[in-house]
Amino acid sequence: NAGVTQTPKFRILKIGQSMTLQCTQDMNHNYMYWYRQDPGMGLKLIYYSVGAGITDKGEVPNGYNVSRSTTEDFPLRLELAAPSQTSVYFCASSYRRTGLGSGNTIYFGEGSWLTVV
Amino acid sequence: GQQLNQSPQSMFIQEGEDVSMNCTSSSIFNTWLWYKQDPGEGPVLLIALYKAGELTSNGRLTAQFGITRKDSFLNISASIPSDVGIYFCAGLSGNQFYFGTGTSLTVIP
Repeated sequence: NAGVTQTPKFRILKIGQSMTLQCTQDMNHNYMYWYRQDPGMGLKLIYYSVGAGITDKGEVPNGYNVSRSTTEDFPLRLELAAPSQTSVYFCASSYRRTGLGSGNTIYFGEGSWLTVV
Repeated sequence: GQQLNQSPQSMFIQEGEDVSMNCTSSSIFNTWLWYKQDPGEGPVLLIALYKAGELTSNGRLTAQFGITRKDSFLNISASIPSDVGIYFCAGLSGNQFYFGTGTSLTVIP
């Protein structure tokens, strides 16, 4: 059981280039998320998805796009990379149930370190 | 977006000492989670709390879900060098998880 797997681990991009961060989970979770983590800051939500075919913006969506064609995969696309997108990106997933005490827990991938120069 | 108030921001302690850290929020949460993040790695779940007043242990770690549902505490007993890392809390409110900014723990042998 691999959990949440994201690739690549490290990437250097030139300004204006495009790339896709891949994320897959094998826990049959319905919710998936993309966060970015900047030094000394907490995790900021970029996009999230509540199920296949459904995505929604988080706190910092500008400059990013996502898709969710399957339950397992949730890729994050950077179309025109900018230095402000230099950060560590984490994909995460959770199996969300309703009600209190219902076992909602979020699991993270190992991170993707992206530098835009 | 809402962030949780986590304190202290950093701690330097001697090996063998106990550690306490906490998270507070102005909002009520249904779930509190505690994670540890090592350098160059993703956050790893330590303890999950789902009921107000719940006290849960994981080895030398103990966490509590505050009665008001607006806070949570993490204690580490008899710290060891491998406890070094960043610990952060997460709370679930409605459809979203919110995160603390982390407590950086340094254990001096």
